[in-house]
Amino acid sequence: DTGVSQNPRHKITKRGQNVTFRCDPISEHNRLYWYRQTLGQGPEFLTYFQNEAQLEKSRLLSDRFSAERPKGSFSTLEIQRTEQGDSAMYLCASSRGVGQDTEAFFGQGTRLTVV
Amino acid sequence: DQQVKQNSPSLSVQEGRISILNCDYTNSMFDYFLWYKKYPAEGPTFLISISSIKDKNEDGRFTVFLNKSAKHLSLHIVPSQPGDSAVYFCAAIPMDTGRRALTFGSGTRLQVQP
Repeated sequence: DTGVSQNPRHKITKRGQNVTFRCDPISEHNRLYWYRQTLGQGPEFLTYFQNEAQLEKSRLLSDRFSAERPKGSFSTLEIQRTEQGDSAMYLCASSRGVGQDTEAFFGQGTRLTVV
Repeated sequence: DQQVKQNSPSLSVQEGRISILNCDYTNSMFDYFLWYKKYPAEGPTFLISISSIKDKNEDGRFTVFLNKSAKHLSLHIVPSQPGDSAVYFCAAIPMDTGRRALTFGSGTRLQVQP
């Protein structure tokens, strides 16, 4: 399978704990995006990378959230001191990153539940 | 403030009939629009897109119409099939700004009855 891969698929954590999610994009894709989706809503943009550079961040990305893409390949999203409001589906997507490409391919997501 | 709105949370149609899903936007900077389909337990998958320089784009059974003056777009599925049952998201992007973040609507759940 050469699609976008996200791990873990599910994560249950206690409030106050830190969590880290991983995303492996499609191998030739230069752009990588993180979105968050809550029940009954569409995905909300968090951040995106062009290769290893983080080019855009949403105001939703509070200082408890940090994303990295160290070698322009896989990416991690860490949430520190989790809160119940962080419970959501975290989606990763990638795209070729050439010119004005817009078609992003999404992974299956990581569902986070904070108890 | 929702910049992309899908005002119908759900839609039910008979197999073989036309499905029409609607989307409105408020940000005049949006100049590229996409539709994604999402099945349960899967990520959204790209369906069809349209640039603001066009008013129609067709791909097989799927056609997207754009009315820029009304800031409205719609997705037509003809004929509808049971396998089309999914949540459909409209998304928009302000391409000319250089930004690449998609702004999504809240989705419309389509159910196609056999």
